[in-house]
This record gives sequence, structure tokens and C-alpha cells, in this order.
Amino acid sequence: DAKTTQPNSMESNEEEPVHLPCNHSTISGTDYIHWYRQLPSQGPEYVIHGLTSNVNNRMASLAIAEDRKSSTLILHRATLRDAAVYYCILRDNNAGNMLTFGGGTRLMVKP
Amino acid sequence: DAGVIQSPRHEVTEMGQEVTLRCKPISGHDYLFWYRQTMMRGLELLIYFNNNVPIDDSGMPEDRFSAKMPNASFSTLKIQPSEPRDSAVYFCASSRRRFGTVNSGANVLTFGAGSRLTVL
Repeated sequence: DAKTTQPNSMESNEEEPVHLPCNHSTISGTDYIHWYRQLPSQGPEYVIHGLTSNVNNRMASLAIAEDRKSSTLILHRATLRDAAVYYCILRDNNAGNMLTFGGGTRLMVKP
Repeated sequence: DAGVIQSPRHEVTEMGQEVTLRCKPISGHDYLFWYRQTMMRGLELLIYFNNNVPIDDSGMPEDRFSAKMPNASFSTLKIQPSEPRDSAVYFCASSRRRFGTVNSGANVLTFGAGSRLTVL
């Protein structure tokens, strides 16, 4: 499986933008880039996913490098409720719907 | 929709006892996943089903673990006999089949709230 590398932790101030990086230098052409987050004491929840083009939804934006070897999850205005572990995951489109989680980035948001 | 429903939310049992965790996926979802989360190992995929059929059980730790999906609306994960090292949070997730465009949402996993298991 193609692997991802994320910083263990990041800090942000409330109401400021947050850029969460992810490196996936061994990504293959059939890999989708997925982001999930896990709030304290909850199950992971879907944030966003993309293949080649940048993507936006109500929760976040996903910026994908032109060579697809890295991506950045952007939270436009961090709130205290955004404090969570954020997982960047590659999903092989030829391997079913399974997701393999790495260690993720623990985002701390300061008031 | 009520989402993915897991029970029990918390279970405390003694070593050697049988444990059964239950999951009701979202109606219409044809994939079901069981994950385990510990501090040491993070989130691990144990097994997943497609249309009630087990597709990949390579993550199941050992023969003490078994999972079934008798119908599209119910799955169980059983541990017999349980051991202290099985203590973890067990998550169930479901999704629809993966066909669709990037933004169709067809490939999204929805997780339940988890079952926290403590084996003494």
C-alpha cells in the first residue's frame, strides 16, 4: 500500500487558517487522496477526498500538488471544535473501499 | 438516517469470557468494516464485508476473533476467549459501492461511535 507521511502534531489559533500537510511520494495513478478526522471520543469522520484537482466542500479544501506527491488540507477558519486527529489516507481505486489509517496529525486549536 | 449503530458502547469483562460486539450499518450501504483502535497500534482494519460476504479478514488477530454478517443490516464481531490485550475501541463503518465520480460521495466510510472493550 502507498504510504503517507504527516507531522505528528500541529497548533493553530482559533479563527485562523490551518494548513495540514501530507506527503505521499509513492502514490499511484489509481490512488484517491482521502482525509478523515477523529474528534475526541468519537469515530473517524469523512472530511474530503480528491484525485487530481483541488476540491472544496463545506468543511475544508484539499489542495493537491501537480505531481500528486503531496497534498494539503486547508481549514479556512479553525474553531475549537476542529481540534482532532486528521488522517491523510490513500485509497487504491482497484482495491475496494478499504482504508488503511496511519498515525495522523493531532491538531490543537488555541483560543 | 441514524448512522452506523454500535452496541454496546462500553463493555467490561473478565479474561476468558466471550464478547460479542454488534453493528447496524446504514441502510443501502453494501460494504461493512470492523476496525480496532489502541494507543499502541492506532486504527487497524480487522475485516470487511461486501454484500454480506467477507472479502478480506487478514487483519483479524487470531482464531479467537470471528465476524459474521448474516444479513445486510447486522454484523457481529466475536472474541472467544477474550484476553486483556484485546482491550481497545472497536469501530464499525459502512459505505456504498465505490463507483461514481470523485465528488459523488460513493466512496465515503461512515463510522459508528465505537465500542470500548476492557478485558480485566
